[in-house]
Amino acid sequence: GENVEQHPSTLSVQEGDSAVIKCTYSDSASNYFPWYKQELGKGPQLIIDIRSNVGEKKDQRIAVTLNKTAKHFSLHITETQPEDSAVYFCAAGAGGSQGNLIFGKGTKLSVKP
Amino acid sequence: GAVVSQHPSRVICKSGTSVKIECRSLDFQATTMFWYRQFPKQSLMLMATSNEGSKATYEQGVEKDKFLINHASLTLSTLTVTSAHPEDSSFYICSARDPGQGYSEAFFGQGTRLTVV
Repeated sequence: GENVEQHPSTLSVQEGDSAVIKCTYSDSASNYFPWYKQELGKGPQLIIDIRSNVGEKKDQRIAVTLNKTAKHFSLHITETQPEDSAVYFCAAGAGGSQGNLIFGKGTKLSVKP
Repeated sequence: GAVVSQHPSRVICKSGTSVKIECRSLDFQATTMFWYRQFPKQSLMLMATSNEGSKATYEQGVEKDKFLINHASLTLSTLTVTSAHPEDSSFYICSARDPGQGYSEAFFGQGTRLTVV
């Protein structure tokens, strides 16, 4: 089955700096890679996702890159702000409404003002 | 985007009682919903996959008689924690994937903080 590794487990940056979180996956059949942001006491919120037929996707300050050959994908947050502080999870799985997603262990991002 | 609503957000119950948690997809139909458990500072652990009109599929190590799942309609799945004990205290989260959106983005409910005293 799929296995997702996520690094680092904690990340502290200064406001305005960039933050990068990396994930690797094991199952070459996975073709859908979402990223979630979870604030304390709340459910995860989808922030960006990428599909296997795309190498990079950007949405304002957030971007995700995918290297299918190496089976890794990364989240990039530029110009970080204190409100970006949260736990971020990557996930991998198949497209389709009935498939489960496998999650990484999460990265706690702290943005210091 | 699609919305998944979970209720209640917080519940405290006495040991030995049962608690029901509801998960609704508000603007799409979900034949499949997923139930997760999350311990403090840890990732989401899949407990079971809820299938509309059929039995749920439980992950290894999850007691099906303790965590009863019912998916009676295309917009509602319920998780009942039976004979709850303090060790069942946790954050429970449901998820559903919207079949109408591309690769079926997965959306999560707000989560339910269960405390068993």
